Amino acid sequence: KAGVTQTPRYLIKTRGQQVTLSCSPISGHRSVSWYQQTPGQGLQFLFEYFSETQRNKGNFPGRFSGRQFSNSRSEMNVSTLELGDSALYLCASSFGTVAGNTIYFGEGSWLTVV
Amino acid sequence: EDQVTQSPEALRLQEGESSSLNCSYTVSGLRGLFWYRQDPGKGPEFLFTLYSAGEEKEKERLKATLTKKESFLHITAPKPEDSATYLCAVQANYGGSQGNLIFGKGTKLSVKP
Repeated sequence: KAGVTQTPRYLIKTRGQQVTLSCSPISGHRSVSWYQQTPGQGLQFLFEYFSETQRNKGNFPGRFSGRQFSNSRSEMNVSTLELGDSALYLCASSFGTVAGNTIYFGEGSWLTVV
Repeated sequence: EDQVTQSPEALRLQEGESSSLNCSYTVSGLRGLFWYRQDPGKGPEFLFTLYSAGEEKEKERLKATLTKKESFLHITAPKPEDSATYLCAVQANYGGSQGNLIFGKGTKLSVKP
């Protein structure tokens, strides 16, 4: 059974540009969440989608956005990139939204902003 | 405010030397406490979920326990391949949503042969 797949794995962008990251959840999983991981802050929650609807949002500026498609695949977008956006962006999926659902992570997308 | 604190930040063990990692938490309405293992450059790998005080789960050399205020990850006779960062996260009850995971900063474990 394939795990959570994230693309691209590595990318380098320039300040002011925008970036789109993609996530394919485990087959059958309908809930997708995104996290940002940095050495200083650790893992921080960005947002969660279920059935194409954003269900929960973390404390990040509006430059960070996301969406989920009917096949549960998800994308996140960061506009007007800043140096501080350099991080590992992790996607996680689970079957549903109730307690008891295991949450699985992908390998992440490494974003470097120069 | 929901919060997770892990200790120690780093732990060095000799192969076969058992020890425990601590995860202290404050959360309103705990839905679950998760343990993950993360290797350098990779995403977190799921280990355990605990739901209520007194619950214990085991997997190979790892055993996780849960009380009302903290969780322990016990490592028995560790091997070098157990070297990784171990992350603890809590999931709060936000009703109608999976609720975000609130992570600790992790414990970096090094096991020397």
